[in-house]
Amino acid sequence: NAGVTQTPKFQVLKTGQSMTLQCAQDMNHEYMSWYRQDPGMGLRLIHYSVGAGITDQGEVPNGYNVSRSTTEDFPLRLLSAAPSQTSVYFCASSVGAVGNQPQHFGDGTRLSIL
Amino acid sequence: SQQGEEDPQALSIQEGENATMNCSYKTSINNLQWYRQNSGRGLVHLILIRSNEREKHSGRLRVTLDTSKKSSSLLITASRAADTASYFCATASSYNTDKLIFGTGTRLQVFP
Repeated sequence: NAGVTQTPKFQVLKTGQSMTLQCAQDMNHEYMSWYRQDPGMGLRLIHYSVGAGITDQGEVPNGYNVSRSTTEDFPLRLLSAAPSQTSVYFCASSVGAVGNQPQHFGDGTRLSIL
Repeated sequence: SQQGEEDPQALSIQEGENATMNCSYKTSINNLQWYRQNSGRGLVHLILIRSNEREKHSGRLRVTLDTSKKSSSLLITASRAADTASYFCATASSYNTDKLIFGTGTRLQVFP
């Protein structure tokens, strides 16, 4: 039972490069979310999805794009990487609305922007 | 903006002692959740307490919720070195349960 799988685990980019962080879940969960975690701070919501084909912005969406073409996958795209996007990124899924159901997290992608 | 704020930011105790962490939030909520994060790992859900509950237990965990004060506490009894981790509260507004807002967390260190 894999749960939520994030790839890659580590990545170093140069300013201006683009990349996609992958997230896949095998629990048939409708809700998926992307968070970033910076030192001394809790998790901040970037984008979320309540089902295939439906996405919405979170607290810190600028510089990121998402799409949800399948229930299983929810990739996060950095359009033009900036040093301020250096962070640890977590993907999470839940069977229902995140306020009412436990979220299952991946182990994160550690991203450094030079 | 962060909806949940936790205190203390850091807590160091000896094995066998109890650890108490507090969380405050700002808006009306349906539920409050607590999560644990071991170093270098993702968050793991511990417990969910509903707004009409005042206290909930799960093993060595006891969670209280005071909606009039918009606050919650997590008590870990008889702590173990393996409890060393960061602990986060998380809430969603009653008006939008699609967004979960996390607190800044409490770092707990349990010494053997």
